[in-house]
Amino acid sequence: SQQGEEDPQALSIQEGENATMNCSYKTSINNLQWYRQNSGRGLVHLILIRSNEREKHSGRLRVTLDTSKKSSSLLITASRAADTASYFCATDADAGGTSYGKLTFGQGTILTVHP
Amino acid sequence: EAGVTQFPSHSVIEKGQTVTLRCDPISGHDNLYWYRRVMGKEIKFLLHFVKESKQDESGMPNNRFLAERTGGTYSTLKVQPAELEDSGVYFCASSHDHRAAADTQYFGPGTRLTVL
Repeated sequence: SQQGEEDPQALSIQEGENATMNCSYKTSINNLQWYRQNSGRGLVHLILIRSNEREKHSGRLRVTLDTSKKSSSLLITASRAADTASYFCATDADAGGTSYGKLTFGQGTILTVHP
Repeated sequence: EAGVTQFPSHSVIEKGQTVTLRCDPISGHDNLYWYRRVMGKEIKFLLHFVKESKQDESGMPNNRFLAERTGGTYSTLKVQPAELEDSGVYFCASSHDHRAAADTQYFGPGTRLTVL
């Protein structure tokens, strides 16, 4: 599997339900970032979690990080039709306490929220 | 504060032609990155500037690609001559300090390049 691999590849839910997306990676990381991409548009930064953090919240988003399992999850609670987008995790590899400064992306999860 | 901007938003060229993409980072961001997503594949790193210097160009596919950042402000990515496999979306991102533990990269809208 590749660094920053998301699971599932596609997720279809009803408005109001929660959506959970998972990401696995291979190397030691400095931080992990989640991005959203609406169709045909740029990447919007959602949340960054550092390697020494286990959980982080931002509005309806909750991100967890388990460095022992090299995995992260993104939970969107009370989803809305406007949350329909592709979601990517991206890892920033650890360069001995600092960062290389380049992100490694997975292929993303396509989330569809039906009204 | 303006975000990362890219120009053009779309470019359609023929194989063998030259195309130059431009990226204007967020003001004050020393770090500028280029990424590319070809159809069906993941977004891949191309290179990283710190100010005007190339910090890491390990992702550049071949010598048909030339990136510059004169003066440490905007950057250009030139593809010459373009090949069919260069088609994709080219993203630019910028950040404040790549050495920080929580350095967020902010992405531009991308340039969709189609090589016919």
